[in-house]
Amino acid sequence: AQSVTQLDSHVSVSEGTPVLLRCNYSSSYSPSLFWYVQHPNKGLQLLLKYTSAATLVKGINGFEAEFKKSETSFHLTKPSAHMSDAAEYFCVVSDPGRYGGSQGNLIFGKGTKLSVKP
Amino acid sequence: SQTIHQWPATLVQPVGSPLSLECTVEGTSNPNLYWYRQAAGRGLQLLFYSVGIGQISSEVPQNLSASRPQDRQFILSSKKLLLSDSGFYLCAWTIGVLGVGSPLHFGNGTRLTVT
Repeated sequence: AQSVTQLDSHVSVSEGTPVLLRCNYSSSYSPSLFWYVQHPNKGLQLLLKYTSAATLVKGINGFEAEFKKSETSFHLTKPSAHMSDAAEYFCVVSDPGRYGGSQGNLIFGKGTKLSVKP
Repeated sequence: SQTIHQWPATLVQPVGSPLSLECTVEGTSNPNLYWYRQAAGRGLQLLFYSVGIGQISSEVPQNLSASRPQDRQFILSSKKLLLSDSGFYLCAWTIGVLGVGSPLHFGNGTRLTVT
């Protein structure tokens, strides 16, 4: 069965230091992978997506993620945290194996809350 | 460009009252539409999805229902709310095969509190 695990429920960093949010997935097929960010009481915004092209994916706001098939990981990184990065981050895996078509086959991680200290 | 509108932003309703949340998408045709619920600490739960007018698929049986009366309009309803219906409801859309390079685009959500 497909699954996604965000290894940390809460990460705290100081402003200007690197950010690492960890995500591992399990999939029977070649998955598409996404990272979303959610600010309080807001919808989810797409940060970046991996769809079997380059394994290092660059997203918005300086974030990037590397797809490592051997480790089944898709960790999100940023070289230098900003106060505005404080939010909740969701790793999402899409697996067409279950439904195909355009049905709901996204699996969301439980989220990692990022705190940024001044 | 495409935009998604969801309203109201917040809603407080008594137990047993009806519910209607509306979502519209602009700037695209024949989108796939979704309703998710987000409860604290429990991630996102897919409630309904629709691939066309009048076509609704339910992922989780409950006292909620969904309708798609127009191509870019998606409505979430309930005849009688339960306390357990409280949560953050998100509407989303995509074009094409979900996940195969086609991410979900979310609205800003509705915070529903059932009292």
